[in-house]
Amino acid sequence: KNEVEQSPQNLTAQEGEFITINCSYSVGISALHWLQQHPGGGIVSLFMLSSGKKKHGRLIATINIQEKHSSLHITASHPRDSAVYICAVRGSSGDKLTFGTGTRLAVRP
Amino acid sequence: DAGVTQSPTHLIKTRGQQVTLRCSPISGHKSVSWYQQVLGQGPQFIFQYYEKEERGRGNFPDRFSARQFPNYSSELNVNALLLGDSALYLCASSLEWYPGELFFGEGSRLTVL
Repeated sequence: KNEVEQSPQNLTAQEGEFITINCSYSVGISALHWLQQHPGGGIVSLFMLSSGKKKHGRLIATINIQEKHSSLHITASHPRDSAVYICAVRGSSGDKLTFGTGTRLAVRP
Repeated sequence: DAGVTQSPTHLIKTRGQQVTLRCSPISGHKSVSWYQQVLGQGPQFIFQYYEKEERGRGNFPDRFSARQFPNYSSELNVNALLLGDSALYLCASSLEWYPGELFFGEGSRLTVL
């Protein structure tokens, strides 16, 4: 079992839909990152969380430390949100970042 | 301000050769980390450096090595290249060791023939 599991692996939505991507992890962490990767490879950091909830524009990220679970929500989705979304956790000792396999999102107009 | 810059962006090598990839962090960032992303998979952690010292190492063979220079730039070296080393190599910088926000470069795409 991978230390970081994401679901779903693939997601297709219509423009305007509310989207949720889930991330579960099995190790103690010091922080959790949500990343966005567009075709071509470049990765953009969306959020870094150690507790609670953060919001940036149409994106919301939450984390439940006790349940070892995080969610990324996209409100009013748009075709430009189409990308791979990756969850990554930094271990308690801070020496290693472990990535999920990503969720491929396609938003259709 | 310039973001994280990596060079070269693309390169082709043959099996057995050696490659050096370079990364310049955002000005003021003291930590650099390296990741390997094979096509269709999530990134895998290779190394993290902070203040020129290695602070973390992933599960990669000794053919992989790295260093960080006094100006905080970094090099990743891979010796005796194998076909399986073909991947996108990503560098990220952060202000401190952890748990700082990460800023990624565009990557170096290595093809081993």
